[in-house]
Amino acid sequence: DIQMTQSPSSVSASVGDRVTISCRASQGISSWLAWYQQESGKAPKVLIYAASNLQSGVPSRFSGSGSGTDFTLTISSLQPEDFATYYCQQAKSFPLTFGGGTKVEIK
Amino acid sequence: QVQLQESGPGLVKPSQTLSLTCTVSGGSISSGSYYWNWIRQPPGKELEWIGYIYYGGKTDNNPSLNGRATISMNTSKNQFSLMLSSVTTADTAVYYCARKSGNNWFFDFWGQGTMVTVSS
Repeated sequence: DIQMTQSPSSVSASVGDRVTISCRASQGISSWLAWYQQESGKAPKVLIYAASNLQSGVPSRFSGSGSGTDFTLTISSLQPEDFATYYCQQAKSFPLTFGGGTKVEIK
Repeated sequence: QVQLQESGPGLVKPSQTLSLTCTVSGGSISSGSYYWNWIRQPPGKELEWIGYIYYGGKTDNNPSLNGRATISMNTSKNQFSLMLSSVTTADTAVYYCARKSGNNWFFDFWGQGTMVTVSS
């Protein structure tokens, strides 16, 4: 199985801050990566697919980059509704696997 | 807009079979454009993909479940289902159904999730 490792596990930030979350795959996955946002008690919502493609309806302050084994999700200017947990997911091979999550908390 | 809704018992005894159904509205599960998935999340833990079913009956499951998961579909009711046998407390989780569309394996629509507790 491909292991997905996210860092940090949590980050404290203020509204307006730039936030960067990293995701590393245990083997190369090209650009087969998605990012999700999960608010407390809700289902995940896809933000980014194919490493850098913004899902329809997602604000442009979210962006993704990377390929191979190292990927980044960036929130350019944190908004109050962005305080949530973020997960990466590899889409290269089965079984599909997710990262451990990064919780973005209010500073 | 497509909507997914999970249903099933919230409490299952150890060694029994967990059975959940996902009802899809706003779209047909018979469309060859989509794969229909089950994903779970134990309390405070990460997401785990369980498996999928595709129109025509093709399925694939996570080997970590050691063959305990069975996914089926009922096209007349526009539903697909999960059965997980021989459950233990480790199977306690929020269970989500989700849709995959297009060429990329990510999930664009999710149900709200249903909590299943395994306990005697």
